[in-house]
Amino acid sequence: QSALTQPASVSGSPGQSITISCTGTSSDVGAYNYVSWYQQHPGKAPKLIIYEVTNRPSGVSNRFSGSKSGNTASLTISGLQAEDEADYYCCSFTASTTYVFGTGTKVTVL
Amino acid sequence: EVQLVESGGGLVQPGTSLRLSCAASGYTFDDYAMHWVRQLPGKGLEWVSGISWNGDYISYGDSVKGRFTMSRDNAKNSLYLQMNSLRADDTALYYCVKDRHTSVSHIMYVWGQGTTVTVSS
Repeated sequence: QSALTQPASVSGSPGQSITISCTGTSSDVGAYNYVSWYQQHPGKAPKLIIYEVTNRPSGVSNRFSGSKSGNTASLTISGLQAEDEADYYCCSFTASTTYVFGTGTKVTVL
Repeated sequence: EVQLVESGGGLVQPGTSLRLSCAASGYTFDDYAMHWVRQLPGKGLEWVSGISWNGDYISYGDSVKGRFTMSRDNAKNSLYLQMNSLRADDTALYYCVKDRHTSVSHIMYVWGQGTTVTVSS
C-alpha cells in the first residue's frame, strides 16, 4: 500500500487561508469517507484534528476544515496563525482493511 | 486525563525480537480499540497494527504482517506489540494510540509519546 500523496510544504502569511491536498486512489480516499488529519508539532506526538473527512473533535479550532472530491481529500486552515506551523498528515482506510498515511506536509507561517 | 505510556524500546540487532508495551490510564481501556503507529527517523507516519476492544479483530500493515503480533490484556489495561525478525527498516518511534470507537477505525484519537526502536548491528 503506497502512502497517500501530499505536497512537501505549504506556506502562508498570518491571516491567510491555505489548503493541503491528500491524493489517494479509488481503493482508499476515493472509496470511503474515512479520512482523518493529524497535526504534529516538532518533538510532539500527532494530534487528531479532522475525522470522517469533515468532522472536528471537540476542542479543535473551527479554523480547520476538511473536504473530499474524488480521490483527493483536502485540509484547509483559515486565518493562519503562528501556532499552526507544524507537519500535517492525512490518513485513510483502505480496501485491504488497513490504514495508510500521507507523506506529510510542512506548513510554514511566513 | 487519558494517558498512554509506551515502554520496551531499545537497540537490538537485526533478526532479533522485542516486545513493546503500552500502559493506559484515565479511561475505560476495554471500551476502545487501539493502534500501533510508527514514525521513521525524520520521516512520516506508518500505521502498524490495530486491535478491537476485545482482541477479536486484529489487522496489520503489509510491512509487518507475519513478523509482528499485537495483543491486549484488558485486565491490566495494557497493549502489546511482539516484534520478531526485526530489520533495519523497523527502526522508528513507535506510538500507542487510542481509537475513538470499540472497533478499529481511522479515528486515532489519543497518542502516547512513543518508544524508540533501533535495529542495528
